[in-house]
Amino acid sequence: KAGVTQTPRYLIKTRGQQVTLSCSPISGHRSVSWYQQTPGQGLQFLFEYFSETQRNKGNFPGRFSGRQFSNSRSEMNVSTLELGDSALYLCASSSGTNTYYGYTFGSGTRLTVV
Amino acid sequence: GNSVTQMEGPVTLSEEAFLTINCTYTATGYPSLFWYVQYPGEGLQLLLKATKADDKGSNKGFEATYRKETTSFHLEKGSVQVSDSAVYFCALSDLSSNTGKLIFGQGTTLQVKP
Repeated sequence: KAGVTQTPRYLIKTRGQQVTLSCSPISGHRSVSWYQQTPGQGLQFLFEYFSETQRNKGNFPGRFSGRQFSNSRSEMNVSTLELGDSALYLCASSSGTNTYYGYTFGSGTRLTVV
Repeated sequence: GNSVTQMEGPVTLSEEAFLTINCTYTATGYPSLFWYVQYPGEGLQLLLKATKADDKGSNKGFEATYRKETTSFHLEKGSVQVSDSAVYFCALSDLSSNTGKLIFGQGTTLQVKP
């Protein structure tokens, strides 16, 4: 079956702009989680959506937001971009009801803010 | 709060050497434990998992045993190959939030030389 699809793979944005990233989970999966990966901070949890509802949120400013659609696809948005937002953004898909099956990650979107 | 600590890298080994990457955790309750691997320019791939004490996860020659008494989940492989060169992440599921949140260690870079 198809894996987790993230688009686009690469993005270059200017400071102050906003950006939207997309994640399509594995078919049948209802949970999508987002992570930010940077060399300095490592992998940090942004938020998780389950059945269109945000179920958990990490310690990120309000400039980071997300949503999930009825087909489980998810988007995350970052407004007023800062240089420090440059990172690899990963999404993870799971059934959402049991951690036993683990989480499947996409290849990520590499965001560069200049 | 819950946390994961990994041995710092990089770890440099010769081909066919024995590999151990240490991982210890702090958690309330009984989290599931995971090892993920990240190859250059890619997202995270689930390598193996364990969901309860004394479980042994294994995949592609890698093994890790969930040790509750020592709160550890060390990754081992008997004979590494050049193709194993990657960054390895230990992670736990945050059961306290009962949501799809993983807490990651900082990652350990493995370089295998021919």
